[in-house]
Amino acid sequence: EADIYQTPRYLVIGTGKKITLECSQTMGHDKMYWYQQDPGMELHLIHYSYGVNSTEKGDLSSESTVSRIRTEHFPLTLESARPSHTSQYLCASSPQPGWGQETQYFGPGTRLLVL
Amino acid sequence: LAKTTQPISMDSYEGQEVNITCSHNNIATNDYITWYQQFPSQGPRFIIQGYKTKVTNEVASLFIPADRKSSTLSLPRVSLSDTAVYYCLVGDKGTGRRALTFGSGTRLQVQP
Repeated sequence: EADIYQTPRYLVIGTGKKITLECSQTMGHDKMYWYQQDPGMELHLIHYSYGVNSTEKGDLSSESTVSRIRTEHFPLTLESARPSHTSQYLCASSPQPGWGQETQYFGPGTRLLVL
Repeated sequence: LAKTTQPISMDSYEGQEVNITCSHNNIATNDYITWYQQFPSQGPRFIIQGYKTKVTNEVASLFIPADRKSSTLSLPRVSLSDTAVYYCLVGDKGTGRRALTFGSGTRLQVQP
């Protein structure tokens, strides 16, 4: 089972601040993902990556950006946080190459509250 | 965007078998169907995955008909610790951006 870490677990921040949510995995998985999940709601894919220097937007439009400079690291950045960004952000990785088999390993999530 | 449909909630008692069905009419040809379990304040956890027919592992079975437009997760002899939200995940056959569609989730409540 993959070890995947997210920091911080909880973040309360004021409007207009720049934030970076960290995600790291230690299993050498090429595919990584970011999801957004509001309380009691389904997960929505906002970003994914095939590997180093590869990033794509998911089906849910998001003002956040991501980078993938190292295989194990996939940080998500919000340049100017707004209350509408309040949500839970989940990072995941998958060992399978290509697409189709989505056995994803999820981190514990970051709960973001923007005041 | 593909739409997957699951029952919003289900109730069961310990020791019973629970079947949760997910409808996914627009599943991509090469994509598998994957089910996840999520507890409050945690990320989803992989349960089982299949492409067609039947798959079984130590915790669940997955039934997929020939047309692959639906799938049924079967949990044998549930316990209180199986109380959670269950999601199905499929890829979308649409063009353009890669779409991974989680179902809306089924809240399973297991009673003693």
